[in-house]
Amino acid sequence: RKEVEQDPGPFNVPEGATVAFNCTYSNSASQSFFWYRQDCRKEPKLLMSVYSSGNEDGRFTAQLNRASQYISLLIRDSKLSDSATYLCVVNQAGTALIFGKGTTLSVSS
Amino acid sequence: DVKVTQSSRYLVKRTGEKVFLECVQDMDHENMFWYRQDPGLGLRLIYFSYDVKMKEKGDIPEGYSVSREKKERFSLILESASTNQTSMYLCASSRGGLGNEQFFGPGTRLTVL
Repeated sequence: RKEVEQDPGPFNVPEGATVAFNCTYSNSASQSFFWYRQDCRKEPKLLMSVYSSGNEDGRFTAQLNRASQYISLLIRDSKLSDSATYLCVVNQAGTALIFGKGTTLSVSS
Repeated sequence: DVKVTQSSRYLVKRTGEKVFLECVQDMDHENMFWYRQDPGLGLRLIYFSYDVKMKEKGDIPEGYSVSREKKERFSLILESASTNQTSMYLCASSRGGLGNEQFFGPGTRLTVL
């Protein structure tokens, strides 16, 4: 059962590049969506929630396509400090959050 | 500042030992969760609790039990540790509904020899 699927990567990009991650989810009844970030040997932390209308936080843009059941994260002007694993997270009513396995990003100088 | 703490960062146990992993949160959150994280498998939910003395099985509860006697504390118990339970264990908490943001502890790297 693969409820949340992500391309594991790794995505290797130079500083300043724009990179996009996609994530698909299987349950059309899913209600809320998030991107978490996990640095190497650290715990996951919320990066941003994903709203139906799309939302932006600085260099980060998240979008949701309910019809196609996918979520995206766009990172503009990549920094070395963006290197991490990005986890797509989905919630259905009455259940705990469902985490994807993550996409690894490596930004190099 | 929100805080979830776990009793140990690193733990080494022998096969057959009983192991207790403790998690404490200071945010008065209703929900608490235990996950294990393994390379290539991602985060897998073991158990969660939405109230004191309440517990629900996650995706991989076999070989584990939990205890929540106080709101701030959620314990994971390995009744008889086995080598396939060697993993990173992460505790998390969240307020209100189960779909709210989860705050994670730093994790416990458990090795079972």
